[in-house]
Amino acid sequence: QKEVEQNSGPLSVPEGAIASLNCTYSDRGSQSFFWYRQYSGKSPELIMFIYSNGDKEDGRFTAQLNKASQYVSLLIRDSQPSDSATYLCAVLHGSSNTGKLIFGQGTTLQVKP
Amino acid sequence: DTGVSQDPRHKITKRGQNVTFRCDPISEHNRLYWYRQTLGQGPEFLTYFQNEAQLEKSRLLSDRFSAERPKGSFSTLEIQRTEQGDSAMYLCASSHPGGGQPQHFGDGTRLSIL
Repeated sequence: QKEVEQNSGPLSVPEGAIASLNCTYSDRGSQSFFWYRQYSGKSPELIMFIYSNGDKEDGRFTAQLNKASQYVSLLIRDSQPSDSATYLCAVLHGSSNTGKLIFGQGTTLQVKP
Repeated sequence: DTGVSQDPRHKITKRGQNVTFRCDPISEHNRLYWYRQTLGQGPEFLTYFQNEAQLEKSRLLSDRFSAERPKGSFSTLEIQRTEQGDSAMYLCASSHPGGGQPQHFGDGTRLSIL
């Protein structure tokens, strides 16, 4: 079992729809969770981070965390073609003071005009 | 607030050569991280520093790899006797101290081994 799992996709949604990206993790002690966006040939760009159970909203993005189910998701409302990219879920490994992020393989999102 | 800077952006070299990459973190960040990413995969952790201290190294970091951050500012990653399997994007990130702080990535150095 991989430590952080994502469906590689592609996930295809029409412009204006809600895109839902999901991620599960294996380390029940994980405390910090991050979503990065990566355009083809570019480096990862931080979009959201979440530490507590529940929802966290920032503009069109909402991160959702359920530690009991070991599940993190990212919702993108009013999806735009410019949102087409690979979305990487990352989980901080081990103790709260470590610096090691464990990444999923990413989900490719395609937003069709 | 300038971002994380990496140099060079691209490096093409022959198998067996040594290469060195440089990373300059965001100025107020004292943590610096190195990751490696191959096509279709998420980044894999290599090592990280807090100030000049190297706090953790991955098993991926074989004895051909060495990273330094001598004055707690910029860092270098050296790969000796490069192999075909070293071809990847090498990513540097930085953050404020403490676990859980968001890491911000540079543009990366793409290494191609001929």
